[in-house]
Amino acid sequence: GDSVTQMEGPVTLSEEAFLTINCTYTATGYPSLFWYVQYPGEGLQLLLKATKADDKGSNKGFEATYRKETTSFHLEKGSVQVSDSAVYFCALSGLQGAQKLVFGQGTRLTINP
Amino acid sequence: ETGVTQSPTHLIKTRGQQVTLRCSSQSGHNTVSWYQQALGQGPQFIFQYYREEENGRGNFPPRFSGLQFPNYSSELNVNALELDDSALYLCASSLRHRQETQYFGPGTRLLVL
Repeated sequence: GDSVTQMEGPVTLSEEAFLTINCTYTATGYPSLFWYVQYPGEGLQLLLKATKADDKGSNKGFEATYRKETTSFHLEKGSVQVSDSAVYFCALSGLQGAQKLVFGQGTRLTINP
Repeated sequence: ETGVTQSPTHLIKTRGQQVTLRCSSQSGHNTVSWYQQALGQGPQFIFQYYREEENGRGNFPPRFSGLQFPNYSSELNVNALELDDSALYLCASSLRHRQETQYFGPGTRLLVL
């Protein structure tokens, strides 16, 4: 079945550092790919998405490119801020059956001032 | 535009009891999905409702059931609660369209003692 594997956390960086969180997937066909962010005590917020190969999703300085050849969707940001501290989830939406999201296990990111 | 809302925000039950969680979908969205997020894990798909009918189910036992109403709001019912049912329950709404984005509510945190 469909699955998502994320870089294990936790990840701790200093403010203004470069961020990469790795995500790879296994799926039938060409799923849509998403990054969601969860701040402490809250639900999930959509951060960015890509619906086809070579698409780049971007939002709030974060970017991720849908790479079909490596089945990856790595999240990057050039200069992180303390306010980026949260848990980040990579997810896919498959094409089989119900329009369900399959999530990775999440990566906890902490940014120190 | 009103986002996804859920009630209650927190709930404490004892083993063997029954619980009902509620969700109001985002304006204009006619599909509702429910997810269970155990502590430190990614969300797991429970089921999805479209036009008041179940439209796909994840690997959850029949004691997890749901309803969708004509106004697209939804309920998640869990019978015979077990300790492992303690989790954050997330509702997400979306348009009935393949690969369409799901928007999440803040969740209901359930503790089973």
